[in-house]
Amino acid sequence: KAGVTQTPRYLIKTRGQQVTLSCSPISGHRSVSWYQQTPGQGLQFLFEYFSETQRNKGNFPGRFSGRQFSNSRSEMNVSTLELGDSALYLCASSWDLDTEAFFGQGTRLTVV
Amino acid sequence: GQQLNQSPQSMFIQEGEDVSMNCTSSSIFNTWLWYKQDPGEGPVLLIALYKAGELTSNGRLTAQFGITRKDSFLNISASIPSDVGIYFCAGHRWGTSGSRLTFGEGTQLTVNP
Repeated sequence: KAGVTQTPRYLIKTRGQQVTLSCSPISGHRSVSWYQQTPGQGLQFLFEYFSETQRNKGNFPGRFSGRQFSNSRSEMNVSTLELGDSALYLCASSWDLDTEAFFGQGTRLTVV
Repeated sequence: GQQLNQSPQSMFIQEGEDVSMNCTSSSIFNTWLWYKQDPGEGPVLLIALYKAGELTSNGRLTAQFGITRKDSFLNISASIPSDVGIYFCAGHRWGTSGSRLTFGEGTQLTVNP
């Protein structure tokens, strides 16, 4: 069974641009969550989607958004990029809300 | 954002030694999870704990879900060089408002051959 797939693996963007990251969950998993990992803040929860609905949202500005499609694939978007948005963005999928989460390899975003 | 208190922050041990790390929180969690992360990779799930007081093993790894639901520990026995990495605890909370993981700050483990 394929694991969680995130694309792209690496991305370099300029301040002010916007970016879209993609996540394909493990087949059959309906819940997808996104996390931001930085050296200073550690792993921080961004949002969680279940059956195309955002069920939970972390404490991030409105520049961070996401969506989930009917096949459970998810995208997250960051608009008006800032230098501080440079981070490893991780996607995790789980079969249901109360089951264990499995992570993808992440997308390393660098904002210059 | 909220973090779990994970300790120690780093450990330097000799191959063959046992390792212990723990996490504490002021909040109750439904589930405790332990992950290992290698540089440039995503966290890999090691152990999941579902019930207060539960003690679970996975090979050389043993973890326990604290009876108060506010803490957990992970033990690694007879460490080997490939145990090197960052270990994270994560408290999992779910309900009508969805699901989220709250992570500890991580324990950086170095194993000297």
